[in-house]
Amino acid sequence: DTEVTQTPKHLVMGMTNKKSLKCEQHMGHRAMYWYKQKAKKPPELMFVYSYEKLSINESVPSRFSPECPNSSLLNLHLHALQPEDSALYLCASSQTGTSVEETQYFGPGTRLLVL
Amino acid sequence: QQQVKQSPQSLIVQKGGISIINCAYENTAFDYFPWYQQFPGKGPALLIAIRPDVSEKKEGRFTISFNKSAKQFSLHIMDSQPGDSATYFCAASDPRDDKIIFGKGTRLHILP
Repeated sequence: DTEVTQTPKHLVMGMTNKKSLKCEQHMGHRAMYWYKQKAKKPPELMFVYSYEKLSINESVPSRFSPECPNSSLLNLHLHALQPEDSALYLCASSQTGTSVEETQYFGPGTRLLVL
Repeated sequence: QQQVKQSPQSLIVQKGGISIINCAYENTAFDYFPWYQQFPGKGPALLIAIRPDVSEKKEGRFTISFNKSAKQFSLHIMDSQPGDSATYFCAASDPRDDKIIFGKGTRLHILP
């Protein structure tokens, strides 16, 4: 099973809302990633968790708050977002996160619209 | 220095033809060059990757050609099929920071 699942598929939220994106994998991977992808652009790395510890935070605004409750789950908590945060949010996982040459398996993404 | 420049932005190829996407980089510390394929509504998927000690790598209809001295690499898709229609991203990584730097992507459309 090489599947990374993400919920919800689509999300519309106002600027004062609080919502969460969820990601799950059952491949036994110990590294999980959040990327943001705007239309017709490449993915941009936001956060990396390795062995349930935050290892990379690409200077992401604090209105995005990641959480890794266990090695299979990754959440992204959203609060007070701006319309420019509207994008496709991609989750990925890889074996350990200790080498960039590990294959990252991406989920289908959550398409977020902030009104 | 950290950029990967990708061209063309979009490409239309007849079925059965060869699709060629080119990338160039400046950072000589880059030592891993993956290509990703992304279909609409899906996340990217690793297609093929190469290290700079190899000049060519072939997997099925997909071939990476690598020119270390010119700091360029390219993806060739032989016998292109409509199912290959997708966005392709070249990428590179610097072992000092373990991050993947993506090119801007090429939208490939294969005419049936």
